[in-house]
Amino acid sequence: EAQVTQNPRYLITVTGKKLTVTCSQNMNHEYMSWYRQDPGLGLRQIYYSMNVEVTDKGDVPEGYKVSRKEKRNFPLILESPSPNQTSLYFCATSQRVSYEQYFGPGTRLTVT
Amino acid sequence: GQQLNQSPQSMFIQEGEDVSMNCTSSSIFNTWLWYKQEPGEGPVLLIALYKAGELTSNGRLTAQFGITRKDSFLNISASIPSDVGIYFCARGTSYGKLTFGQGTILTVHP
Repeated sequence: EAQVTQNPRYLITVTGKKLTVTCSQNMNHEYMSWYRQDPGLGLRQIYYSMNVEVTDKGDVPEGYKVSRKEKRNFPLILESPSPNQTSLYFCATSQRVSYEQYFGPGTRLTVT
Repeated sequence: GQQLNQSPQSMFIQEGEDVSMNCTSSSIFNTWLWYKQEPGEGPVLLIALYKAGELTSNGRLTAQFGITRKDSFLNISASIPSDVGIYFCARGTSYGKLTFGQGTILTVHP
């Protein structure tokens, strides 16, 4: 079954405590991306990756890092989380040069 | 990034009614997509449009890519309770980067 998985699904943490949200896909897709969703703002792209070792900034990259060491995994790293990073985060994947992205189930992050 | 203006922000309708929502942008581009998000889940692609003027249907859903390449609409005919959710338009830019609209929250009363 084609899947995009994210872990954890829910996380409550404190300001400044480094965390990683994992994303994994089994569809052999080259393109992967991270979005955050906030009320009234829709989904905004944080970072994306065209292939292994190739990443680029989206619209709201500040405070986030990513890495793409393997094709199937694209973790999102918050080195020093702040309350304004409280949000719902989605990982998405697609075939190269395709806009038809498949989204994971989401990770709800609360930073206190 | 550039914003997409999606309207209306929310809709409350009776089962069986038709629904129409639209999205506009100040710039032209080559791709329009429509996604639906149900509570507690990630967005799911409904329709993808790649050519100006293109009209595409998916069951009771119909979407069109505006001739000016700056807008798109999505229609849902004969709505049913399971149509409830948030509908997002999105435009494709280079290398698969997507910019999303703010979303239309649809509520269907039985």
